Amino acid sequence: EAEVAQSPRYKITEKSQAVAFWCDPISGHATLYWYRQILGQGPELLVQFQDESVVDDSQLPKDRFSAERLKGVDSTLKIQPAELGDSAMYLCASSPSGGAGARETQYFGPGTRLLVL
Amino acid sequence: SQQGEEDPQALSIQEGENATMNCSYKTSINNLQWYRQNSGRGLVHLILIRSNEREKHSGRLRVTLDTSKKSSSLLITASRAADTASYFCATLTGGGNKLTFGTGTQLKVEL
Repeated sequence: EAEVAQSPRYKITEKSQAVAFWCDPISGHATLYWYRQILGQGPELLVQFQDESVVDDSQLPKDRFSAERLKGVDSTLKIQPAELGDSAMYLCASSPSGGAGARETQYFGPGTRLLVL
Repeated sequence: SQQGEEDPQALSIQEGENATMNCSYKTSINNLQWYRQNSGRGLVHLILIRSNEREKHSGRLRVTLDTSKKSSSLLITASRAADTASYFCATLTGGGNKLTFGTGTQLKVEL
């Protein structure tokens, strides 16, 4: 069964350093999502891509976070500089279409757990 | 921001018992979905119920939706130790495919 891949699984960094997370969605899925999940809470959407275009980044802290999906396949989420409050699980998900009117299940990867010291 | 709240926050039951979790949300929805998350892992989709549906079944899962009360419940029958996980409801709103998650219920099923 196809799965969403993420790396690394765990990342420890010091504040003010740069970190990057990678996601490879299920093959053929047009839509890719990045979520942040703080311990004890539900995931919150950071950014949504439709192919290579950003369709929603309203909750992305753009002063320090950036995301790209250059060829419309895999994606990278970057934080620079990292802050203590960025410690969380970063989840990637994908869905087949996700376009206007889509009502689809999202398939999640295993996540990257970030600890900022 | 979290769309929904789940109740209870934590639930501990014996194997074989039924587990019921409730979810309340704030705005009109297109559908409501339930996900399971094992400790430190990603989320797994369990079941989706559309806004015009009132009840749906999948194996040992039963979901109800009351749009007038903006609430949903997830029932797991004959629970097993392997059901131990966090359970999240998520609502789909608007024209896109944006999911907004609740705060989750931690279920522990003891042998």
